[in-house]
Amino acid sequence: DAKTTQPTSMDCAEGRAANLPCNHSTISGNEYVYWYRQIHSQGPQYIIHGLKNNETNEMASLIITEDRKSSTLILPHATLRDTAVYYCIVRGYSGAGSYQLTFGKGTKLSVIP
Amino acid sequence: GAVVSQHPSWVICKSGTSVKIECRSLDFQATTMFWYRQFPKQSLMLMATSNEGSKATYEQGVEKDKFLINHASLTLSTLTVTSAHPEDSSFYICSARDLAGGGNQPQHFGDGTRLSIL
Repeated sequence: DAKTTQPTSMDCAEGRAANLPCNHSTISGNEYVYWYRQIHSQGPQYIIHGLKNNETNEMASLIITEDRKSSTLILPHATLRDTAVYYCIVRGYSGAGSYQLTFGKGTKLSVIP
Repeated sequence: GAVVSQHPSWVICKSGTSVKIECRSLDFQATTMFWYRQFPKQSLMLMATSNEGSKATYEQGVEKDKFLINHASLTLSTLTVTSAHPEDSSFYICSARDLAGGGNQPQHFGDGTRLSIL
């Protein structure tokens, strides 16, 4: 699976949009981009995933560049409860067998009152 | 949405005892479940992949005789830490993906088990 690069930490003011970048320049054609977050002392929570089109759900939006070498997770109105470590993970769709996720260090997002 | 339940959430036991952790998919079936370990201030590290009805696949450096995995049904996988020692103290997390749907379906995680060995 392709390696991802994320900033170590970011701050965001409460109520503002949080934009979390991720670089995945070695992504291949069948690899999806997944975003998870982990709030302290809990298991990771799935946020969103996409292949090449932008995606939106009730939690966030995912913007993937046309060349697919980078993406941005957008939390439209950050709240204090969004403070967490956010992981961007690229994983291939093998169709069968292993679907394991490889976690990097992620981005520590701190939402400030 | 897909829910994965992990039990217990917290356990303290003496060195040398064995501890069993359960991971259940509550509203979906999972052919494959995954077990991770997370030490303080570190990221999640995959320990093993649990396959229903067959042997688990362990990552390099993970002792299969120490971390016994059983995946007897499509909704339950267990991890047993045998003869636990203080260095096994960690946060253990399981995940599962829905059997239905396409191969790009996301994994869903349990809330983790914090294991402390005295």
